[in-house]
Amino acid sequence: GAGVSQSPSNKVTEKGKDVELRCDPISGHTALYWYRQSLGQGLEFLIYFQGNSAPDKSGLPSDRFSAERTGGSVSTLTIQRTQQEDSAVYLCASSSPGQGENGASTDTQYFGPGTRLTVL
Amino acid sequence: EDQVTQSPEALRLQEGESSSLNCSYTVSGLRGLFWYRQDPGKGPEFLFTLYSAGEEKEKERLKATLTKKESFLHITAPKPEDSATYLCAVQAWTTYQKVTFGTGTKLQVIP
Repeated sequence: GAGVSQSPSNKVTEKGKDVELRCDPISGHTALYWYRQSLGQGLEFLIYFQGNSAPDKSGLPSDRFSAERTGGSVSTLTIQRTQQEDSAVYLCASSSPGQGENGASTDTQYFGPGTRLTVL
Repeated sequence: EDQVTQSPEALRLQEGESSSLNCSYTVSGLRGLFWYRQDPGKGPEFLFTLYSAGEEKEKERLKATLTKKESFLHITAPKPEDSATYLCAVQAWTTYQKVTFGTGTKLQVIP
């Protein structure tokens, strides 16, 4: 079946411009996550959605970052007034919390290919 | 705060030379430990989830093990196509959906 898709795959923008990054999760997955991966760094958690609501926004770096999810499906991460330090790969993942093998809970996250953002 | 430390940062192996990658973690009540593989320019690809100490899982040349403080990813007779960055991540019962990732081990397997 189709995996997680993200668009655009690459985005080059000028400092101060706004950008929108899109994520299409796996059909039926109720949870959606955004991460940021900078060169040589681990994945940095940004925000998590369960359905359309975001119970955990603690990872958003500043008020220039916002995200929304509509219809329990597509999500958009918006960065306003971009700065050079925003340059990174932005990854989206989705999961379907439930029971896995042997009755264990499973929250395995499946990742998209990412959007590489370059702020000049 | 949950923490994940992976070692070594980089590993270079000859084809067929077995080795292990380490993931040390600190978490307040482990809900799950995840291993992912990431190829350049791509998103992480899920490999394993481990839930409790003593658990082991295998997939082809890879075997993941878990103790109360660390996890190992054993690579047996690696091939060049196993070259990638391997990421470890943990999820705590208290923080539920938030997953904390390590910075990864970059593996290069030379023919």
